[in-house]
Amino acid sequence: DAGITQSPRYKITETGRQVTLMCHQTWSHSYMFWYRQDLGHGLRLIYYSAAADITDKGEVPDGYVVSRSKTENFPLTLESATRSQTSVYFCASSGGQGQYGYTFGSGTRLTVV
Amino acid sequence: AQSVTQLGSHVSVSEGALVLLRCNYSSSVPPYLFWYVQYPNQGLQLLLKYTSAATLVKGINGFEAEFKKSETSFHLTKPSAHMSDAAEYFCAARGGSQGNLIFGKGTKLSVKP
Repeated sequence: DAGITQSPRYKITETGRQVTLMCHQTWSHSYMFWYRQDLGHGLRLIYYSAAADITDKGEVPDGYVVSRSKTENFPLTLESATRSQTSVYFCASSGGQGQYGYTFGSGTRLTVV
Repeated sequence: AQSVTQLGSHVSVSEGALVLLRCNYSSSVPPYLFWYVQYPNQGLQLLLKYTSAATLVKGINGFEAEFKKSETSFHLTKPSAHMSDAAEYFCAARGGSQGNLIFGKGTKLSVKP
């Protein structure tokens, strides 16, 4: 189906483990983004990508790594998970620089214990 | 830097009453502005967007917003609240050269019967 999908929907992991959150979009949008949502903070940008093989840090990048070898995929990796990374993570894509809007995935609720 | 401020983290209205959710932005360039709605445990759904066309923007579910450059505001309104409007609402603006969205911290709307 067309759209933007995130997996897994829910994840529980232990402190110190590596975990990867997946994001896949079917529109061939150039821009993709990762946000985290925390109570009292709204949504904050972790990383973004303007095209395949082009990524850059957002507001809160520490402890995260991204890659974008293919236009449609934009995985987010927590190299060594910490409890402060317990959050809801949203992936988004945009066909341009916002003039066509942004579409969000359903989110991944990550709990680090 | 671009910023978005939502006035009021919680707004409560009676069913049938006017809904007014306030949003102000800071920008040195004409912005793209968005309102999203988030229902519990769900992703973000686009309500409406302003991308430099008509200043009064109509969205889904009877919502509309007016872009006022002189006031740097983009308030969201609905003439008559419905119980199903209870959700969290986020105002967002496209950030500078990164092309990402910058979010306000959200306003939780409660609708009383």
